[in-house]
Amino acid sequence: AQSVTQLDSQVPVFEEAPVELRCNYSSSVSVYLFWYVQYPNQGLQLLLKYLSGSTLVKGINGFEAEFNKSQTSFHLRKPSVHISDTAEYFCAVSDYGGSNYKLTFGKGTLLTVNP
Amino acid sequence: DAGVIQSPRHEVTEMGQEVTLRCKPISGHNSLFWYRQTMMRGLELLIYFNNNVPIDDSGMPEDRFSAKMPNASFSTLKIQPSEPRDSAVYFCASSSGTGMFDTQYFGPGTRLTVL
Repeated sequence: AQSVTQLDSQVPVFEEAPVELRCNYSSSVSVYLFWYVQYPNQGLQLLLKYLSGSTLVKGINGFEAEFNKSQTSFHLRKPSVHISDTAEYFCAVSDYGGSNYKLTFGKGTLLTVNP
Repeated sequence: DAGVIQSPRHEVTEMGQEVTLRCKPISGHNSLFWYRQTMMRGLELLIYFNNNVPIDDSGMPEDRFSAKMPNASFSTLKIQPSEPRDSAVYFCASSSGTGMFDTQYFGPGTRLTVL
């Protein structure tokens, strides 16, 4: 069985500061990795995903994430955040097998960007 | 593109009542997912349809929950009878394929409160 741990439930930062949202996973098989963002009163939106290849993945809105297999991590980063980045961010995994449609989500990290 | 449409957006009901949540996927998408989001358990997949056929219902909590997809443009999730522990945000998502290569697009969710 897979699991995802998002190490911080809340991350407050100031505008234009860099941010890192941490995600660790556990799985007995190879995985695919995802980051989703949820703005207030909206559904989830895909930010980026790692399927294979380069371990540095670039997504929308200036976000990027790095897959580290040895540390089983997939941390999300942005060098300079905006007020509009305030949202909840979810890390998710799915496995290589027949049920690769099934996403296992972390509990989420609330990013609050202050002026 | 209107995106995934869910109705109602909010539902307040009393214990024991029947609740029906509705979802219209993005036109042309052939996969549909129902998720439940709670503070305690996070986001969980309840059921997955492909080409209107239920493929994986292992996440449906108990017999009180049922889901149908009578055609490619409509799905329902029914709870009968409802209980206070069913209070959650229920999301519908759709995708154009069957696996991790196909992005899941989420609706805005239905916030259910069972008194």
